[in-house]
Amino acid sequence: EAGVTQFPSHSVIEKGQTVTLRCDPISGHDNLYWYRRVMGKEIKFLLHFVKESKQDESGMPNNRFLAERTGGTYSTLKVQPAELEDSGVYFCASSRAANNSPLHFGNGTRLTVT
Amino acid sequence: GEDVEQSLFLSVREGDSSVINCTYTDSSSTYLYWYKQEPGAGLQLLTYIFSNMDMKQDQRLTVLLNKKDKHLSLRIADTQTGDSAIYFCAEIDDSWGKLQFGAGTQVVVTP
Repeated sequence: EAGVTQFPSHSVIEKGQTVTLRCDPISGHDNLYWYRRVMGKEIKFLLHFVKESKQDESGMPNNRFLAERTGGTYSTLKVQPAELEDSGVYFCASSRAANNSPLHFGNGTRLTVT
Repeated sequence: GEDVEQSLFLSVREGDSSVINCTYTDSSSTYLYWYKQEPGAGLQLLTYIFSNMDMKQDQRLTVLLNKKDKHLSLRIADTQTGDSAIYFCAEIDDSWGKLQFGAGTQVVVTP
């Protein structure tokens, strides 16, 4: 089966611009998560979808971040307007069942805001 | 501060054993995980251990869990150059599968 795919793999934008990251989970996985790793620090949780619903968005930094999962398939994470501190690697993960089911991660999107 | 803590760097000679340590804080975590990230790649699930186990062995990997001390370790036997990567320890943070990660340990294998 195809793994979790993320697009783009790299993005370089200027402060104030908008960027949209996309994640395609493994087919049949209802649970989709977004995580972020900033400059060598720990990987931090952003939010969790169950199908198209936001189960937990407690990790979203502020209202410049908007995540959607229309139709319960792929998800997008939009940053608008981007700030310098948003630079980092954004990981998407999916799992079949929420509890006790390992998360499968994509390769991540490296975002650089200049 | 971090809920999951790891040492940041480990250098090991090829053929030796590597031991990566991790401490966590949530005693109710049911599963604890080790993920590996190679350069330019995503997070690969290496192994995991259920909280009622003390040890799990999987080929060259041995996971030890000390629940009393909330200490988790990953031992890699006969370390190879392909084992050079960042290793992340993670615990389940809630019943919905949310993971709490450490900052990662950079393992460098030298010839």
